[in-house]
Formats: sequence, structure tokens, C-alpha cells
Amino acid sequence: EAGVAQSPRYKIIEKRQSVAFWCNPISGHATLYWYQQILGQGPKLLIQFQNNGVVDDSQLPKDRFSAERLKGVDSTLKIQPAKLEDSAVYLCASSLLRGRGYGYTFGSGTRLTVV
Amino acid sequence: AQKVTQAQTEISVVEKEDVTLDCVYETRDTTYYLFWYKQPPSGELVFLIRRNSFDEQNEISGRYSWNFQKSTSSFNFTITASQVVDSAVYFCALSVSNAGNNRKLIWGLGTSLAVNP
Repeated sequence: EAGVAQSPRYKIIEKRQSVAFWCNPISGHATLYWYQQILGQGPKLLIQFQNNGVVDDSQLPKDRFSAERLKGVDSTLKIQPAKLEDSAVYLCASSLLRGRGYGYTFGSGTRLTVV
Repeated sequence: AQKVTQAQTEISVVEKEDVTLDCVYETRDTTYYLFWYKQPPSGELVFLIRRNSFDEQNEISGRYSWNFQKSTSSFNFTITASQVVDSAVYFCALSVSNAGNNRKLIWGLGTSLAVNP
């Protein structure tokens, strides 16, 4: 089966600019996650979708970050305006049954550099 | 508290040595899942193993083995006869209950393993 697709692979922007990341999960996976991984740290959950509904966005900086998952398939994560501390790898993952131990498949990530 | 602790930040070994990566977890859930992921320099997180809280059977897969002990809340990972290609950051993660009958992953900070020729 095809894996989780993410684009772009790399992005460099200036602070205060906006940026968007795209994720296409594994077909049939109802649960989709966006993680932020800062260099030297483990991934931090930003938002979790179940189909097209938000399950958990408690750690999403809502003043600048937004995400949507229209039609319960693809998802887009946006940052507007970006700050220097947003430099990180943004990982998308999907799972089959609400993450009930069936494993999470990760995409290759988008490496964002804010200068 | 629900957390994962990987006390070893960096490990450096010489090829063919055995190496054990430690993982200790805390959770209030009675049903939970433990994972190990490998993150090579390319950045992708590669799934290695999943273990549920009711299955304490240790597992061996080639040069990899995992020791799950509920009594000590540990899920350690051993690489036998390490190879240069094993160089990566290894993450231990814990899947716990989340809002709306969902689950979420709690991650350790990772252990960076360098296998030198």
C-alpha cells in the first residue's frame, strides 16, 4: 500500500510569512495526526483528526496555526504568520482505528526553516 | 502523569557491539500500547515494533529484540551485532487514551545511536 504522502519536502520562508503543508494519509485511515518535531526532541502532537472532525488540538498554537481535513481524507496545516521558533519538521501520520495500537504510519515530513 | 523517559541521550558503539536502548514509561491507563520507532538522518519515522499492555512476551526480529517488563514499566530495545546502518535516533512511544475514545502517542526524547566502523 502507498504510504503517507507529504509535500513539500523542504521549505524556507522569512518570519511573518505564511506557509502551508499538505498530507495525504493511507487510504482508509480515518485518523490523521500532525506533529511538530523540533531538532533534538520527540514529535509533539499539534492536532488529531478523526475523519474530518478535530479530536485534539490542545497543543496547536491557534493564533497562528490552523489545520483542516476536508472530506476526511487530505489535510492541510497552515502557519500564518511564521516565527523563528516554528522551524521544525512537520510530520503527518495516519492510523486505522483511532490509534488503538494498530500502529501509526508517518510521512517523510516537511522540514521548515524560518529565517 | 503519562510520560516516556529515554534516559540515554546519545550512545556511541563500535560495529558488531550489542547495544541496549532503555525506555521507561508512566501511565494511568490499564490498556496501552508501546512502540519503538527509528528515525534515520533522512527524517522519516520508521515503525519497528508495537506491544500491547497485556502481552509481556519478549520479541526477537533478526538482530533486534525487545524486553517488556510491566513490573518495572520498561520496554527496552537491544540491537545485537550493531551495524553502521543502525545509526539513527530511536524513539520509544506510548499510546494512551485521549478524548472521545481515541488514543494519542506520548514520545520519549529519543536516543541518538552512532555505530562506528
